[in-house]
Amino acid sequence: GQSLEQPSEVTAVEGAIVQINCTYQTSGFYGLSWYQQHDGGAPTFLSYNALDGLEETGRFSSFLSRSDSYGYLLLQELQMKDSASYFCAVPISARQLTFGSGTQLTVLP
Amino acid sequence: GAVVSQHPSWVICKSGTSVKIECRSLDFQATTMFWYRQFPKQSLMLMATSNEGSKATYEQGVEKDKFLINHASLTLSTLTVTSAHPEDSSFYICSAREPDRDTGELFFGEGSRLTVL
Repeated sequence: GQSLEQPSEVTAVEGAIVQINCTYQTSGFYGLSWYQQHDGGAPTFLSYNALDGLEETGRFSSFLSRSDSYGYLLLQELQMKDSASYFCAVPISARQLTFGSGTQLTVLP
Repeated sequence: GAVVSQHPSWVICKSGTSVKIECRSLDFQATTMFWYRQFPKQSLMLMATSNEGSKATYEQGVEKDKFLINHASLTLSTLTVTSAHPEDSSFYICSAREPDRDTGELFFGEGSRLTVL
C-alpha cells in the first residue's frame, strides 16, 4: 500500500519561509505532487517532481529525494493568502492520487 | 489548464433520499474520472475510479450499491448517493487528468458539499 506522512500544522509570519516535509512509502513510485486547498475549496495543483532535485515555480519550490523517499514544499515570502492546507500526493495504479493527511499552514501578520 | 466542473456546489437533503452529483470535463475528454470524499479537517480519500463505458472501480470499504457511479460519456460522470444518511454528509470532489499528459496534475471540480438532515 501507500502511506504519506506530513506535519499536521505549521505556523509562520508574513514574509517568512516555510518548509513542509513529506515522507512516503509506496509499492511503486511515479512522482510526488503538491496541492493547495483553501477552506471550502477544491485542491489546486502546485507542483510535481518525478526526478530528484528542486523544482521552482515563483514563490513555491518543491524538492524530491527518491533515495530517501522524501520531499518538501518550500514557500517563500509568505503572504496571508497562503494560509491553507497543503497535501503531498503520489500517483498509484490507474493514475489516481493518494493524498497525505495534509498540513494546515497558518500565516500570521 | 483543463477545466472540470461539478454541480451542485451545495446540497441539503433529508435522510433516506438520493442525491446526484455531476462532474463534467469542459475542454477535454476524460475516459477516467476519480471521485474523492473529504471529511472536515481530513485528507481526500479516493472512493472510486469512474471509467467511461464500463463499471466503476471502488476502493475497499466503499459501498458500490450506495454510491452509484455512471460514466456514460467522455465528458460526464455522475455520483449518486442513495438513501443518504447523516454520516454521508461530506465534501465530494471529482477529478480527472488531461489525456496523454503525465504532469502529475489532477484537475478537480469545485466540490459538492452534501448535508444530510
